[in-house]
Amino acid sequence: DAMVIQNPRYQVTQFGKPVTLSCSQTLNHNVMYWYQQKSSQAPKLLFHYYDKDFNNEADTPDNFQSRRPNTSFCFLDIRSPGLGDAAMYLCATSRDGFREIQYFGAGTRLSVL
Amino acid sequence: GQNIDQPTEMTATEGAIVQINCTYQTSGFNGLFWYQQHAGEAPTFLSYNVLDGLEEKGRFSSFLSRSKGYSYLLLKELQMKDSASYLCALVRAGSYQLTFGKGTKLSVIP
Repeated sequence: DAMVIQNPRYQVTQFGKPVTLSCSQTLNHNVMYWYQQKSSQAPKLLFHYYDKDFNNEADTPDNFQSRRPNTSFCFLDIRSPGLGDAAMYLCATSRDGFREIQYFGAGTRLSVL
Repeated sequence: GQNIDQPTEMTATEGAIVQINCTYQTSGFNGLFWYQQHAGEAPTFLSYNVLDGLEEKGRFSSFLSRSKGYSYLLLKELQMKDSASYLCALVRAGSYQLTFGKGTKLSVIP
């Protein structure tokens, strides 16, 4: 059974039209992460939540925002998607932080037209 | 900062052994992970090394030398289903965020 669930698997949006990607987890993990992965590249961490504490990576564009209304759910909001934001977006969780295995969702592939 | 280098692609024969190397330059790290990622799917955990030496898990083993900035993933008795990308990832010092390498795409051929 899937423990980190991302919806939808494929998302198409228009240039400049806000889009929200969702992630839920059944593991009751404290930490949730959002990664961006472009074709043939490494996953790049955008930000993460440790419980309710939001931690943004220094080079994450302001266009990307996140919300975590409760332990189980986390959302990635892209306010004005550009063509360069087309990528796979991966959500991951870990029980705590330090040296913990991260469990990934299947990802949402975002296309921007 | 952290630089992580892995070969881009490798090809190996079914039943054989393959070693995938990962070298890194970093100001400090807390451990090294290996993840497997099939095309279009999420990365899945394979192994974790924090101390120097070899960690063995069935057909997969991972080795770390912190002094040399080097790790490898060893896959034995290769199966067709092992065709995937293998990602090396460092845990940053003083934190728990992962920094991934670009991955090595392994193709297993009959």
